[in-house]
Amino acid sequence: DIQMTQSPSSLSASVGDRVTITCRASQGISNYLAWYQQKPGKVPKLLMYAASTLQSGVPSRFSGSGSGTDFTLTISSLQPEDVATYYCQKYTSAPLTFGGGTKVEIK
Amino acid sequence: EVQLVESGGGLVQPGGSLRLSCAASGFSFSSYAMSWVRQAPGKGLEWVSAISGSGASTYHADSVRGRFTISRDNSKNTLYLQMNSLRAEDAAVYYCAKGAGYRNDYSDYWGQGTLVTVSS
Repeated sequence: DIQMTQSPSSLSASVGDRVTITCRASQGISNYLAWYQQKPGKVPKLLMYAASTLQSGVPSRFSGSGSGTDFTLTISSLQPEDVATYYCQKYTSAPLTFGGGTKVEIK
Repeated sequence: EVQLVESGGGLVQPGGSLRLSCAASGFSFSSYAMSWVRQAPGKGLEWVSAISGSGASTYHADSVRGRFTISRDNSKNTLYLQMNSLRAEDAAVYYCAKGAGYRNDYSDYWGQGTLVTVSS
């Protein structure tokens, strides 16, 4: 099975900072990658799919890139409401594995 | 408006069984794959099971294969997860999630979750 590895597991940044989260697949998955945001105590929310397509309603400060095995989620200017844990998920085929998550906090 | 409402969670003893349900509305239920995803307290998301729109294809994580069974009743717009031989490590919030397509796909809508506690 393909494993999904996120890094870092947590980060702390200042408001306005550019934040980058990495997700690596153990085998190539083309662009079959989604990103989710889970705010504390809340349900996960889809941010992005096909590695770089923003879900409707998601702020444009979020962007995604990558293909094959290496992917990134970037927040161009971190806002207080972005405090959350972010997860990647591959969806080429089952198992639809999630990465371990990256917790983003405000410094 | 898409709505997913899970039910059936609760306290069960190790080795016991539980059936979770997810009532769906606001979309053409049979046209979309559905998944169950769980989250143990303080832990990350773990994909558990998925089912195609027709129900003909089902998929399970290795951690639950042979113990859990995903199914759906398209006439009732309801998704199920039959959980047998429950273990302490199965304790989690279980989310029902709508797939964006007919087969394996990312999840564009999530329910609020139902808590399963496994303890004697």
